[in-house]
Amino acid sequence: ETGVTQSPTHLIKTRGQQVTLRCSSQSGHNTVSWYQQALGQGPQFIFQYYREEENGRGNFPPRFSGLQFPNYSSELNVNALELDDSALYLCASSWGPRGGTGELFFGEGSRLTVL
Amino acid sequence: AQKITQTQPGMFVQEKEAVTLDCTYDTSDPSYGLFWYKQPSSGEMIFLIYQGSYDQQNATEGRYSLNFQKARKSANLVISASQLGDSAMYFCAMRDRIQGAQKLVFGQGTRLTINP
Repeated sequence: ETGVTQSPTHLIKTRGQQVTLRCSSQSGHNTVSWYQQALGQGPQFIFQYYREEENGRGNFPPRFSGLQFPNYSSELNVNALELDDSALYLCASSWGPRGGTGELFFGEGSRLTVL
Repeated sequence: AQKITQTQPGMFVQEKEAVTLDCTYDTSDPSYGLFWYKQPSSGEMIFLIYQGSYDQQNATEGRYSLNFQKARKSANLVISASQLGDSAMYFCAMRDRIQGAQKLVFGQGTRLTINP
């Protein structure tokens, strides 16, 4: 196990609702990245948080937002849920925003179903 | 932009055989890094092996080795002596920079099934 924990593991929401997903990074890691993995696809980068600020964002609309706390844990918030938001959301932690050779540690993900 | 292509949606291999999972990439950067991850049904992405573009030798980690052919832009994963526990999704990925961050660009993945 990597030491990255995510909650909840599974959840079901309806269209238009809001959801908050949580991630505790591995001890000593100060950077958290979030990825969305649709069924049958590879993960897609949503954004990265470093020192409590967003320092890189993928091609996701503003209704995807996040936070990082002083203890380096993080939240992913999605507003106005759409059916296409159904996916596995993966959190990954690292030391520094430009972690090099495989120093990206993933959690087991939160599986979101939007009905 | 970086792009990763994995052309094998599924592979079926007998236990104890070696298996090669294909990965080709596209980038204009002279310096890049390539990764392989394993994703079991639990969902967690498990790092397997890393190859840097300037590394002189192919990377190896236990039963995993990376067949890196720079001119062909391929980075195939070789698993020797496959085990039942190797059954999982396998993703090839490339490091990319976006604003102040590093992200991984993943391929579509290959589902590997090891038969007893």
